[in-house]
Amino acid sequence: KNEVEQSPQNLTAQEGEFITINCSYSVGISALHWLQQHPGGGIVSLFMLSSGKKKHGRLIATINIQEKHSSLHITASHPRDSAVYICAAMNYGGSQGNLIFGKGTKLSVKP
Amino acid sequence: NAGVMQNPRHLVRRRGQEARLRCSPMKGHSHVYWYRQLPEEGLKFMVYLQKENIIDESGMPKERFSAEFPKEGPSILRIQQVVRGDSAAYFCASSVAVPTYNEQFFGPGTRLTVL
Repeated sequence: KNEVEQSPQNLTAQEGEFITINCSYSVGISALHWLQQHPGGGIVSLFMLSSGKKKHGRLIATINIQEKHSSLHITASHPRDSAVYICAAMNYGGSQGNLIFGKGTKLSVKP
Repeated sequence: NAGVMQNPRHLVRRRGQEARLRCSPMKGHSHVYWYRQLPEEGLKFMVYLQKENIIDESGMPKERFSAEFPKEGPSILRIQQVVRGDSAAYFCASSVAVPTYNEQFFGPGTRLTVL
């Protein structure tokens, strides 16, 4: 079992829909990252959070430390949101630089 | 303020050659990380460096791979005697301080193809 699990693996939505991507982890963490990887391959850091909730534009990330679970929400989705979304856990107490990545959720938003 | 820069963006090597990948961190960042993304696989941590020091290389293959981050100049990931299995996208990231509580910013990646 991977230490960081994401669901769903693939997601297709219609433009305007509310989208939720889930991430569960089994290690103790100091922080959890949400990343976006576009078809061209570049990676953009969306959020880093260790508690509660963060919002940036139409993106919202939440984390529940007790349940070891995080969600990424996209409101009013748009075709330009089509990308792979990756959660990554910063392992607390483990190797100092070791981000552990989920396998990603491939999102396709249809117009 | 330029972001993390990597070059080359694409690199083609024949089996047995050496590959050198460069990463210039964001201005003011002294912590650099290298990650590898094999085709159809997720990202994997390779190595974490601070200026002139390797902090954590637990994800680096023991042979043929090395990394450095000198006092002056970019960080270099070096792969000697490349094999087809080294074909992947290599991403560099940087942070202003220790990664435990600091965001990492990613470069555009270097796509290595080994013929």
